[in-house]
Amino acid sequence: NAGVTQTPKFRVLKTGQSMTLLCAQDMNHEYMYWYRQDPGMGLRLIHYSVGEGTTAKGEVPDGYNVSRLKKQNFLLGLESAAPSQTSVYFCASTRQGSGANVLTFGAGSRLTVL
Amino acid sequence: AQTVTQSQPEMSVQEAETVTLSCTYDTSESNYYLFWYKQPPSRQMILVIRQEAYKQQNATENRFSVNFQKAAKSFSLKISDSQLGDTAMYFCAFMKHNNNDMRFGAGTRLTVKP
Repeated sequence: NAGVTQTPKFRVLKTGQSMTLLCAQDMNHEYMYWYRQDPGMGLRLIHYSVGEGTTAKGEVPDGYNVSRLKKQNFLLGLESAAPSQTSVYFCASTRQGSGANVLTFGAGSRLTVL
Repeated sequence: AQTVTQSQPEMSVQEAETVTLSCTYDTSESNYYLFWYKQPPSRQMILVIRQEAYKQQNATENRFSVNFQKAAKSFSLKISDSQLGDTAMYFCAFMKHNNNDMRFGAGTRLTVKP
């Protein structure tokens, strides 16, 4: 059981380039999230999805887009990368219903924008 | 918006001793969840303990326990019999009931010394 898998694990981009981070979960979870982690700031929510075909903005959505075309996948896109987007990105998922809210996290993706 | 504050950026403890990590939060909600997550050098986020606000009894998980003071909006984590493997970043997190936006504190870096 793989849980939550993020690809790629590392990426270096030049300013203005675009890229997509892929998150895949095999637990049939309804909810999926993208966070970024910066030193001294904990994890901040970028976007989230409560189901296939639905997405919503979190705390820091600017500069990012997301899509949830399949229940098991949640994609995070950077259309024009900026140095301020250098960060470690975490995907997480959880099931819906009573007893939920316990997030299962991926291993993180380190992105450097030069 | 809910905020989570961890006032101790770094702490250290001798192996086998007890340490307490502090967390306060700000909310107008009456029903919510609180969490402590551990992030070792591997970067993987691991759930340590979870508390439901409507439960007065403090949650415990083996060597980990919390002191939940709802009126004071305080949620501290006590680690007993500290082990070298407890060395990690610890994040306090808050989530409203039936909400999908989990807010994290900035983290406390704990070092367990032999």
